[in-house]
Amino acid sequence: SQQGEEDPQALSIQEGENATMNCSYKTSINNLQWYRQNSGRGLVHLILIRSNEREKHSGRLRVTLDTSKKSSSLLITASRAADTASYFCATAKNRDDKIIFGKGTRLHILP
Amino acid sequence: EPEVTQTPSHQVTQMGQEVILRCVPISNHLYFYWYRQILGQKVEFLVSFYNNEISEKSEIFDDQFSVERPDGSNFTLKIRSTKLEDSAMYFCASLQESGNTIYFGEGSWLTVV
Repeated sequence: SQQGEEDPQALSIQEGENATMNCSYKTSINNLQWYRQNSGRGLVHLILIRSNEREKHSGRLRVTLDTSKKSSSLLITASRAADTASYFCATAKNRDDKIIFGKGTRLHILP
Repeated sequence: EPEVTQTPSHQVTQMGQEVILRCVPISNHLYFYWYRQILGQKVEFLVSFYNNEISEKSEIFDDQFSVERPDGSNFTLKIRSTKLEDSAMYFCASLQESGNTIYFGEGSWLTVV
């Protein structure tokens, strides 16, 4: 199975702290994408990292990719209450291929 | 910013009824997808569609499901005879031909009673 698997399954941190979520996958990939989902809402694309990239930044987000370990991490710095959501990694074998989601990490930011 | 739009946002239907979920992908996108998410579970791939035909489908996408792009803008998912276990959030998504990022709609909640 290609699917990504995130850990931890759930994470609670204090507002202002950094949150790190990890994703592991099994097969070779073309790219890995991170999505956020607020409860009962749609999937919001956060960031995409290609297999030939090792690190990408977007605002308070930092994503790393280690293809030798088949793993990725998503770091959210200086967390805010609005970051409370589920975060999913999704992998694609080829550029235009379907993406396969992991089970997600439920992030809860405590005030 | 262009977005994928889905209708209805929520539909309640009786078991055995047909349901059509509608999606308007981003206008210059050529790859289209349907996914579903049963409450509290992960997002599952149903089907991908390109060049007016299904390019891939999952085991979930059985004979009760069909997709269509009837008019060049809408992309529909039809469930012929709904079952209780079809209750889920259904997401439409699209991808530009030269792009990598798959964009999702807000989803359509389907409740089968």
